[in-house]
Amino acid sequence: DTGVSQDPRHKITKRGQNVTFRCDPISEHNRLYWYRQTLGQGPEFLTYFQNEAQLEKSRLLSDRFSAERPKGSFSTLEIQRTEQGDSAMYLCASSFGGTGKEKLFFGSGTQLSVL
Amino acid sequence: SQKIEQNSEALNIQEGKTATLTCNYTNYSPAYLQWYRQDPGRGPVFLLLIRENEKEKRKERLKVTFDTTLKQSLFHITASQPADSATYLCALPPASGGSNYKLTFGKGTLLTVNP
Repeated sequence: DTGVSQDPRHKITKRGQNVTFRCDPISEHNRLYWYRQTLGQGPEFLTYFQNEAQLEKSRLLSDRFSAERPKGSFSTLEIQRTEQGDSAMYLCASSFGGTGKEKLFFGSGTQLSVL
Repeated sequence: SQKIEQNSEALNIQEGKTATLTCNYTNYSPAYLQWYRQDPGRGPVFLLLIRENEKEKRKERLKVTFDTTLKQSLFHITASQPADSATYLCALPPASGGSNYKLTFGKGTLLTVNP
């Protein structure tokens, strides 16, 4: 068990470019979450997968954002036509469906800077 | 809608003292409440979960209380150490609808323990 892994750790991009982030959850976890965190704020929920099914999306997730979890393993979060307001830490978390399912295990995040 | 308030943005204490952090919530009755620790540039790390029928929970030097009448949780670190310096986040499940395990986080309290 190596924990939740996110790649890249840092991403600098120019406004209007597309970016994609990857998350590898803990292997036996069937639930996967994406959160976004800006400076001085707590993480905000973006979207949730149970296995490969995307079950919930926040209203924060505009049409420029899309997330996938093919085969119920790793997940990707893509932001199209990035805007400066997208600059934030993007956090992935996973959890187990059994005992202790309420507890989230977070990765170290991808820090996105849009210039 | 549910609202979470962590009353102090920052708390400075002397090493060896007890740190007490507050989390208040409004507009609903959560089944449980969680506390996480977050270090700079890292994702949150789960510390403790307390359920609505539990008044108090302890883990080593940590103690959490949950007062469902006051709608408040207190998080205590006894015999604090400089290594306890971090941001502490409280988190609650949703009031209704969606994933039961989608957490809403407070803004956090930055704790600094001075040697």
